[in-house]
Amino acid sequence: DAGITQSPRHKVTETGTPVTLRCHQTENHRYMYWYRQDPGHGLRLIHYSYGVKDTDKGEVSDGYSVSRSKTEDFLLTLESATSSQTSVYFCAISAAGGQPQHFGDGTRLSIL
Amino acid sequence: GNSVTQMEGPVTLSEEAFLTINCTYTATGYPSLFWYVQYPGEGLQLLLKATKADDKGSNKGFEATYRKETTSFHLEKGSVQVSDSAVYFCALSERDSNYQLIWGAGTKLIIKP
Repeated sequence: DAGITQSPRHKVTETGTPVTLRCHQTENHRYMYWYRQDPGHGLRLIHYSYGVKDTDKGEVSDGYSVSRSKTEDFLLTLESATSSQTSVYFCAISAAGGQPQHFGDGTRLSIL
Repeated sequence: GNSVTQMEGPVTLSEEAFLTINCTYTATGYPSLFWYVQYPGEGLQLLLKATKADDKGSNKGFEATYRKETTSFHLEKGSVQVSDSAVYFCALSERDSNYQLIWGAGTKLIIKP
């Protein structure tokens, strides 16, 4: 299995608080992605990174920011969490564009 | 724009039955095609892939053939097992879309003993 660790695995927090999710990889892959998975919506891309300090928006980026200060870590921040951001969040990595993506085990986030 | 359409689930089969999960796509160029599987409580795993027309991807008894003429990438397995119960996602990746994965909605497969 690809070396991808997501933390925390579960989190419950309150509306209006900031939340940061971490994705750590040991594969030295260039590309990293954050998705959310919701019933009826499948997987939706939030943000992705194609290198250190190089990031871009995905389909559902509003309310989220990301940072990548080193190859192995990709952070997703909910600046002011809302109940609509309750979801399962997956990190993925790939060696290059067009290569298969490998996924972490997910973070289940509940915003009350 | 690019899109992926999968058959709606859930698909319920008996053990040892033949499986087909349909996937069709729309793309402006020449995409790579993927099937991913998600077991309960887990992340997605790459099941198989095909990068050009007429390629056949295969893994764990599953197969899918890249059919450019019908823009399809149907997933098949000759004899399913209870352990194949999962959600299956079809996806495409294309250079013109910066290689972002375009996902189908997923098909839940339930295999009964």
